[in-house]
Amino acid sequence: DQQVKQNSPSLSVQEGRISILNCDYTNSMFDYFLWYKKYPAEGPTFLISISSIKDKNEDGRFTVFLNKSAKHLSLHIVPSQPGDSAVYFCAAEKAAGNKLTFGGGTRVLVKP
Amino acid sequence: DAGITQSPRHKVTETGTPVTLRCHQTENHRYMYWYRQDPGHGLRLIHYSYGVKDTDKGEVSDGYSVSRSKTEDFLLTLESATSSQTSVYFCAIASSRVFGNQPQHFGDGTRLSIL
Repeated sequence: DQQVKQNSPSLSVQEGRISILNCDYTNSMFDYFLWYKKYPAEGPTFLISISSIKDKNEDGRFTVFLNKSAKHLSLHIVPSQPGDSAVYFCAAEKAAGNKLTFGGGTRVLVKP
Repeated sequence: DAGITQSPRHKVTETGTPVTLRCHQTENHRYMYWYRQDPGHGLRLIHYSYGVKDTDKGEVSDGYSVSRSKTEDFLLTLESATSSQTSVYFCAIASSRVFGNQPQHFGDGTRLSIL
């Protein structure tokens, strides 16, 4: 039973355009959400997070949107750059918890 | 970068042998975690620790044990390795949640192959 799902295994986008990555969750107890970026042969790197009390968080080119009623979050990367080519994982944590549940990942390819 | 070192980075071993992976941190963080990454599954939590000698099971703990005798070290042991435990293993750390949610930070992983 996957509680966090990334339904698009891959995404291809042109350099300079917007990349939109989606993530759905089923457990209403989740209240903290994170995105990680992973290059081959490296560990995941924390990118951006959002608490359930917010619906948007922005950090430079990265914006995360949270729709609690739909149990859906998305990551927008604008503008996309070739260095953004990586696998992106969304993750969720329960209130007062300390364990993350990860989605299966989305591989992003940014074409020059 | 968070001060996390995983050793070894690569290991090939045979079915039935014991294997120990080490995670060492220099951040003095309270929480430490072991995950495995397999195609199509993202990262799945094996075990975690919330303090010295305090550990708990994660989602896929069968066949694994852990120990934390010092704040800086978290060991993952496969008592008798099986081919299904071939995977990439990641250690992560996180600081205390006194000031709210804190992201986990990951090491660079150990690629383990069991033949």
